Amino acid sequence: GAVVSQHPSWVICKSGTSVKIECRSLDFQATTMFWYRQFPKQSLMLMATSNEGSKATYEQGVEKDKFLINHASLTLSTLTVTSAHPEDSSFYICSARDTFQTYNEQFFGPGTRLTVL
Amino acid sequence: QKEVEQDPGPLSVPEGAIVSLNCTYSNSAFQYFMWYRQYSRKGPELLMYTYSSGNKEDGRFTAQVDKSSKYISLFIRDSQPSDSATYLCAMCVGAGNQFYFGTGTSLTVIP
Repeated sequence: GAVVSQHPSWVICKSGTSVKIECRSLDFQATTMFWYRQFPKQSLMLMATSNEGSKATYEQGVEKDKFLINHASLTLSTLTVTSAHPEDSSFYICSARDTFQTYNEQFFGPGTRLTVL
Repeated sequence: QKEVEQDPGPLSVPEGAIVSLNCTYSNSAFQYFMWYRQYSRKGPELLMYTYSSGNKEDGRFTAQVDKSSKYISLFIRDSQPSDSATYLCAMCVGAGNQFYFGTGTSLTVIP
């Protein structure tokens, strides 16, 4: 089955530093990838839609200058949290849609837990 | 009003019980309906995927969509301790469109 990986799985950083999270589709091409944030006991909140070769589309209320998204290839999207603060601590999950599938399934990565001290 | 409403639970049932999980929604344009299972500190995995109204069965799982009532359900028969997880409903208008998730229902199956 389609596999999506994320790296790192857990990161702890100091306030003010930047953190990069990678999302890779391992056995399929993904023109479109999605980035979600999930707080404890809450649902997935879509942050942005990442399209290969073009600018990401951000949801309302998500700062594009703080959450930098790069989708440079059909198998890799990165999310960089710039100048991270404790309120950015969360579980970040990416998903990817198979370019060659006609139906709408999104395959989710295992998530990255970010803790900002 | 949220696009998708889901009772967060928690829900606790004995092993072997039938579990019913539900979501309601407000957007009548939703056409695709999904149920995901998420174990603690893991990404969601797709359980069931249905298009439009009706029932769909896969092993111990049955997904039901009632578009007239804007209501979807997931039934789990013969529940097992390994079914203990958070179950998220998701839906979207069409292929390629944004997914809207419920808050998730936390389920514990007690041996």
